[in-house]
Amino acid sequence: ETGVTQTPRHLVMGMTNKKSLKCEQHLGHNAMYWYKQSAKKPLELMFVYNFKEQTENNSVPSRFSPECPNSSHLFLHLHTLQPEDSALYLCASSLYIQETQYFGPGTRLLVL
Amino acid sequence: DQQVKQNSPSLSVQEGRISILNCDYTNSMFDYFLWYKKYPAEGPTFLISISSIKDKNEDGRFTVFLNKSAKHLSLHIVPSQPGDSAVYFCAALQTGANNLFFGTGTRLTVIP
Repeated sequence: ETGVTQTPRHLVMGMTNKKSLKCEQHLGHNAMYWYKQSAKKPLELMFVYNFKEQTENNSVPSRFSPECPNSSHLFLHLHTLQPEDSALYLCASSLYIQETQYFGPGTRLLVL
Repeated sequence: DQQVKQNSPSLSVQEGRISILNCDYTNSMFDYFLWYKKYPAEGPTFLISISSIKDKNEDGRFTVFLNKSAKHLSLHIVPSQPGDSAVYFCAALQTGANNLFFGTGTRLTVIP
């Protein structure tokens, strides 16, 4: 089983839909992260969870709602998204905050 | 404004030659720097890192150089191999902060 998995790998949704992205890590890590990568832009950190507690929210709009039920799972709930939210959403984990992050393969999201 | 910049979006190198990927940063508080490699349809994978107390770190064919006064780091790959063809991301962080700042990436193509 690979270290960090993300589902789905691809998602197309309308602006009125509600969907969720899932991330799971099998590395025994305590910190998990959501990143957004838009075309020709650097990876942007969205949320950080450390021991299931949210420690960072980088001014992300409320239409993105993270959930971390345990140290191994991280969700990103999406509702009423905009076309400009179309991007690659990457999950990462690290043993502790500031240690090397291991990334999942990402979910390619298209909002129509 | 981007705090980590990779000004070359792409680089082509002949197999066996040296590849040099460059990265500049603006925040003098950054004290830890990482390089990630990304293949298509996969998440970034950690490659090599360097702390600001060092000016060089070597791991096999990969060497990272840090010039703090110039706020510049570079990744040298020698000899370059076709399997090294990927997008390389530079990242930086400040100890004590949760945010890892990424550059926009450089696509390396190693020509057989």
